[in-house]
Order: sequence, then structure tokens, then C-alpha cells
Amino acid sequence: EDQVTQSPEALRLQEGESSSLNCSYTVSGLRGLFWYRQDPGKGPEFLFTLYSAGEEKEKERLKATLTKKESFLHITAPKPEDSATYLCAVRGNAGKSTFGDGTTLTVKP
Amino acid sequence: ETGVTQTPRHLVMGMTNKKSLKCEQHLGHNAMYWYKQSAKKPLELMFVYNFKEQTENNSVPSRFSPECPNSSHLFLHLHTLQPEDSALYLCASSQDRAHKGEAFFGQGTRLTVV
Repeated sequence: EDQVTQSPEALRLQEGESSSLNCSYTVSGLRGLFWYRQDPGKGPEFLFTLYSAGEEKEKERLKATLTKKESFLHITAPKPEDSATYLCAVRGNAGKSTFGDGTTLTVKP
Repeated sequence: ETGVTQTPRHLVMGMTNKKSLKCEQHLGHNAMYWYKQSAKKPLELMFVYNFKEQTENNSVPSRFSPECPNSSHLFLHLHTLQPEDSALYLCASSQDRAHKGEAFFGQGTRLTVV
């Protein structure tokens, strides 16, 4: 059974304080690892898809990386508007997406 | 505008009511999904439709009844719900079930059962 574990559960940062969120996974035949951002009361907003170990993608202050066992979402010099819950999901050979519990990020000004 | 639109955004219903949630996608996708998101829990996949055919039902109680009349529309019919069914119900779509690509989500319907 595919599994996704995200850590930490919650992260509080000062504005400008860089950090990383972790997503550890086990999956039968990785077809994609996905990062989403979710604001309270709203649907998840797609950020990145990674397909193979060594792959990296960037968008503004966010950078996602992938190894065979985990993915990191690096946040550089975060701003208060980056506060949200970040979700990680994997899709395996069965075509089913499995989501983690998410990391709730709070960035204080 | 995410390309996936859900209505209503909020719904309060009694346990004896019948209501329906609607989802429409404008992305040309062939797979559509219903997820349930409860507080402090990960997203739970409920149903999957691929090319209008239901391909997955994750042991969802029969008081939830999905309908997919075409690849662009998805409904979730609700009847005799319980208070524990209160949650955010999310619709998503993707290119197709087996495709590598990401899923895009709607803004959700916040359901409260009283």
C-alpha cells in the first residue's frame, strides 16, 4: 500500500527565515509526486509535479526536489503570504493518488 | 479560476434532507474525482470516474451517490446524512486515470449536517 508521511506537522517561521518541508513516501512504481498548497476553506492549488529522482522544480520562493524515498519543499526567504498548508501526494502504478496529512506553515512578519 | 468549479460553496442540511453537489471542469480532462476532507485528516478519495465510467468506490456509504453524465460534469447526491459527514467535499479532475499528470481541484463545498 502506498504511504506518504509529511513532517513537520506544523512549522512557524519568521519572515525571511528559510526552511524545508519533508515528504517521505513508499509507492509501487512512482508515476508522479505532487505538491499542493491549500489555504483554509479552499481547495488545494497545484504547485509542482516531480517524476524521477534528481528532478528539481522552482517557482518564486519555492523549490521542490525528489529522491527515491523523499521529497523536499524548500522555502527561501518566506513571506507572510506563504502561510498555508502544503500537501504532498504520490501516484503509483495503480493510478491512485495518496495524500499526506500536510504541513501547516505560518510565517510571521 | 482553477478550471474546476463546485457549487454550492456552502451547504447546511438536515439529516432527512436530500441535496446534490455539483462539479464542472473546463479543462478537457477525462477523469474526475470526489474527495472528502475532514479536520485533522488527510484527503480521502471517495469516487473516481474515468471516461464517464466509475472505476473506484472506496467503501463509501450508500448515502453518498455519485453521478457522471459526461466527462465535464460530476455530481454527488446526498441523502440521510449523519453529523459525522460534515466536511469539505472536493472535486478534482485530471487528464485521465492512468496519466502521470496532476489533478486540479475545485474550491470545495463546505457541508454541515445538522
